[in-house]
Amino acid sequence: GENVEQHPSTLSVQEGDSAVIKCTYSDSASNYFPWYKQELGKRPQLIIDIRSNVGEKKDQRIAVTLNKTAKHFSLHITETQPEDSAVYFCAASRSNQFYFGTGTSLTVIP
Amino acid sequence: NAGVMQNPRHLVRRRGQEARLRCSPMKGHSHVYWYRQLPEEGLKFMVYLQKENIIDESGMPKERFSAEFPKEGPSILRIQQVVRGDSAAYFCASSPSGSAEETQYFGPGTRLLVL
Repeated sequence: GENVEQHPSTLSVQEGDSAVIKCTYSDSASNYFPWYKQELGKRPQLIIDIRSNVGEKKDQRIAVTLNKTAKHFSLHITETQPEDSAVYFCAASRSNQFYFGTGTSLTVIP
Repeated sequence: NAGVMQNPRHLVRRRGQEARLRCSPMKGHSHVYWYRQLPEEGLKFMVYLQKENIIDESGMPKERFSAEFPKEGPSILRIQQVVRGDSAAYFCASSPSGSAEETQYFGPGTRLLVL
């Protein structure tokens, strides 16, 4: 089956700096890679996703890159704000089943 | 447009009791997925259902756990004879058509505590 690894597990940045979270996956057949943000006690919410026929996607301060050859994908948050503080999960999917990383707890220090 | 609904939000059970968790997908969605999240861990896939069909239950423990999604009503995750290790947050997600590249939308979760 698929194995998704996510790093770092915790990340602290100063407000206004950038944050980068990286994930690797093992199954080359995976073709959909969503990123979810989960605030404490809340549901995971999709923030951005990328499909295997695309190398990069951007939505305002958030961007995701995908390297299919190396089987890794990354989340980039620029100009971080305190409200970006949350746990971020990457996932890889090839047949409906999402395989999640173990999460990155991001803290943005005002 | 109501999102994915789950109830109860919190459930306390004693060891040996049964837990029933309910999930109503988003309007227009006929595919439901259940995930378990242990404290400070990621989400682990349990089961994928369509109306009246279990499509993939490869992540579900073989004993004590069952899931259904009847023609009418919510999807139900049932845990019999709960043990302390079942304490976790259980999330369901739904999608419109079950396509492999389709976003899954999550409900607020049910936090199960087994005493």
